[in-house]
Amino acid sequence: ETGVTQSPTHLIKTRGQQVTLRCSSQSGHNTVSWYQQALGQGPQFIFQYYREEENGRGNFPPRFSGLQFPNYSSELNVNALELDDSALYLCASSLEQGANGYTFGSGTRLTVV
Amino acid sequence: SQQGEEDPQALSIQEGENATMNCSYKTSINNLQWYRQNSGRGLVHLILIRSNEREKHSGRLRVTLDTSKKSSSLLITASRAADTASYFCATALYSGNTPLVFGKGTRLSVIA
Repeated sequence: ETGVTQSPTHLIKTRGQQVTLRCSSQSGHNTVSWYQQALGQGPQFIFQYYREEENGRGNFPPRFSGLQFPNYSSELNVNALELDDSALYLCASSLEQGANGYTFGSGTRLTVV
Repeated sequence: SQQGEEDPQALSIQEGENATMNCSYKTSINNLQWYRQNSGRGLVHLILIRSNEREKHSGRLRVTLDTSKKSSSLLITASRAADTASYFCATALYSGNTPLVFGKGTRLSVIA
């Protein structure tokens, strides 16, 4: 059984650029959620995908978008990067929308300069 | 906004002692989950307790839930240096199609 894999682990981007973060969900999981964690804070929900459809979204602007693929892996795209987007981005997968808890990846540390 | 608030924000204990962390939340929930995070890495799921449960155990971990007080506690017995981490409670409002809402966490330091 594989866990959740995120890539890249670290990334530095310039303000205004676009970034794509990737997540491979745990085998057998059909739900992927993305969270943003600023330094010293708890994770904040960005959105969730269930069976390739977005079925929940937090308080993030439209420049945060995502995809879930038929193999249930997922991407998070952020356009027009701002300095405040610097954070740890966490992907979590689960079976049936988190009914029994989530498995988190190790995260992608994004720094916007 | 954050649903759960952990207390204390930071806790420092000696190896072998017990550590207790508390979590309060604001609205009715379906379940509450505890996670551990080591130094800016990913979160590790510890325990999920459902709203109709009052107590659960997993190894050295004991979680209680009091829905009347909208609070939960995580007890780590016989702590070890490896338990040093941040601990978060997260609430799920419904059984499905619901995001986890995290608190700001408790930073636990276990001194050898």
